[in-house]
Formats: sequence, structure tokens, C-alpha cells
Amino acid sequence: GAGVSQSPSNKVTEKGKDVELRCDPISGHTALYWYRQSLGQGLEFLIYFQGNSAPDKSGLPSDRFSAERTGGSVSTLTIQRTQQEDSAVYLCASSSWGSPKAFFGQGTRLTVV
Amino acid sequence: KQEVTQIPAALSVPEGENLVLNCSFTDSAIYNLQWFRQDPGKGLTSLLLIQSSQREQTSGRLNASLDKSSGRSTLYIAASQPGDSATYLCAVMGGNNRKLIWGLGTSLAVNP
Repeated sequence: GAGVSQSPSNKVTEKGKDVELRCDPISGHTALYWYRQSLGQGLEFLIYFQGNSAPDKSGLPSDRFSAERTGGSVSTLTIQRTQQEDSAVYLCASSSWGSPKAFFGQGTRLTVV
Repeated sequence: KQEVTQIPAALSVPEGENLVLNCSFTDSAIYNLQWFRQDPGKGLTSLLLIQSSQREQTSGRLNASLDKSSGRSTLYIAASQPGDSATYLCAVMGGNNRKLIWGLGTSLAVNP
């Protein structure tokens, strides 16, 4: 695709429900990143994929968070039993092999009520 | 642990002014430093990327410098325009991994 695509753009969910956030990276980009931006806080690294494997998942805040990537392309970030503190904008980025320049999607705004 | 600080947190200037945004980081063992722009409701746009071996990068009216030994970078915006109004974010990529560590940003308003 022309850019990184994220869906949905907005998601309102009830506390305790599970949510799935989707990221479609730029075609051919092998690296994929998930970040979170909470109100009043800086962007926070969550997880990094190289191909389908995740060499760095150190930023996932709890075991309620998981992510996978299939076919070296689409990635899904799943949050189980959502809590109000999970409310944030979740940003996905991708980059090509050997290049540190990352291209960001427009994010998914998650609101847990 | 790498920490990134941006000063000032907010800046309001009249159109046409030259301005400087500051970024500092605590661990000089970085792979690169990147400046991004964030507009409300939109994603992040990469402005400039400076590799650890470089001292500066330029793109149009933007110039970013890097002093790795002192842990500092500046983003210089020449002849500011109302369209430059946005939040500017500084991020560093570590030497051993690919994740970006971010500052909180500088919110810039350029007034006509």
C-alpha cells in the first residue's frame, strides 16, 4: 500500500472486553513497530517485529497485551480484559530492511469506558 | 536507561521568526536521532534523521544538529510559517535495538 494503514481509527470499548487493533505496513517493509501514546505522556515502545518474529517485546505493559504478525505483513495487537488505563492512541510504524527510517500510520484511538 | 527531554514544552511565535527547539538525551550510545512532526488527528511525519556519525541534516527550512558527546540535538526552523504549527517530537534509537525512545515534544504555534 501507499502508507501504513491502521484500523479501526477509533474504538470505544467497555472495561473488561477484548480488543484487536490491526496494522497494515508498507508493502515490502520487514520491520514493524507498535507504540502507545497516552494523554500527557510521551510515546512508549511496545513491541518490534522483524519479519514474523518479535526480537523485542519488552515494552508490552502486561500479559494482557499480545501481538502477532503473519506472512511478514499484517500485525494485530490484542488487549485482553481492557482497563481504563489502556486508553491511548496506538501507533504502528514500519521500515524497510536496513533502514532506520520509520513510517507511521495514523493510529487507533482506544477509549475504555 | 535512556531518557529524552525536550525544551521548551510549548512555544508561540509570530510568523517569520527563526526558532530553535532543543532535545537532550542521557545515553550517548545512540544509533540515530530523529525529529518528527505530529499534527492533531494525523500520524507522525518524519522530518530529519541524523545518524550517530553525522553532525547535522538539512531539509528545506529545517536544520537539525547532533552533538552526541554532550547528548544534545537542536532543530532549527527558519522563517517560520503558520503551517509549521504542530508538535515536534525528538526520538533516539539505541545502539543495540531498533526501538525509539521519545521526548514529550514541543508544541509550536506560529501566529499570522
